[in-house]
Amino acid sequence: DGGITQSPKYLFRKEGQNVTLSCEQNLNHDAMYWYRQDPGQGLRLIYYSQIVNDFQKGDIAEGYSVSREKKESFPLTVTSAQKNPTAFYLCASTPGHFTEAFFGQGTRLTVV
Amino acid sequence: QKEVEQNSGPLSVPEGAIASLNCTYSDRGSQSFFWYRQYSGKSPELIMFIYSNGDKEDGRFTAQLNKASQYVSLLIRDSQPSDSATYLCAVTPQTGGFKTIFGAGTRLFVKA
Repeated sequence: DGGITQSPKYLFRKEGQNVTLSCEQNLNHDAMYWYRQDPGQGLRLIYYSQIVNDFQKGDIAEGYSVSREKKESFPLTVTSAQKNPTAFYLCASTPGHFTEAFFGQGTRLTVV
Repeated sequence: QKEVEQNSGPLSVPEGAIASLNCTYSDRGSQSFFWYRQYSGKSPELIMFIYSNGDKEDGRFTAQLNKASQYVSLLIRDSQPSDSATYLCAVTPQTGGFKTIFGAGTRLFVKA
């Protein structure tokens, strides 16, 4: 089945640690995205990538980094510079311009 | 002014009634409009998309778009308790075909 797989589903981070969230898609979509969702809020764009080896900052990129070495993969690293990382992180992909987004099941990150 | 605005709710309707969800957007040149449903703790799933002015119907759901008023709505007929969720309005602005802007969502409760 085609889709987007995020792992892990739950992740706990200690203060000062970097953690990496995985996102893999087999939909053959060019564009991939990372969103952050806080309780009672909508989705805020962290980073997006339209093609391999290229990505752009979204609205809240500070404290995060990404890579796009393969079309299928778009991992997100939450660095120690992100002071309030506890949130629900969603990876998505789109087949082209102005099209619907397909979402992974999300990763819930908690700082302990 | 937020780019995509929704009433956060909660909107409460009795089972069998029509639920009306509204959304306004700021970019007059926006090209595509989406409604996603999100159950608590889950990722969003597409309910409807609409690109042209007017109404678009799919089963119990009708999306309405008025570009002159920068307004998009979702009507849910014969509401069911299983429709209880948060509904996210999303808009793809003219200048960023790969960037979708999400509203904060409206929480809907359908009372049995």
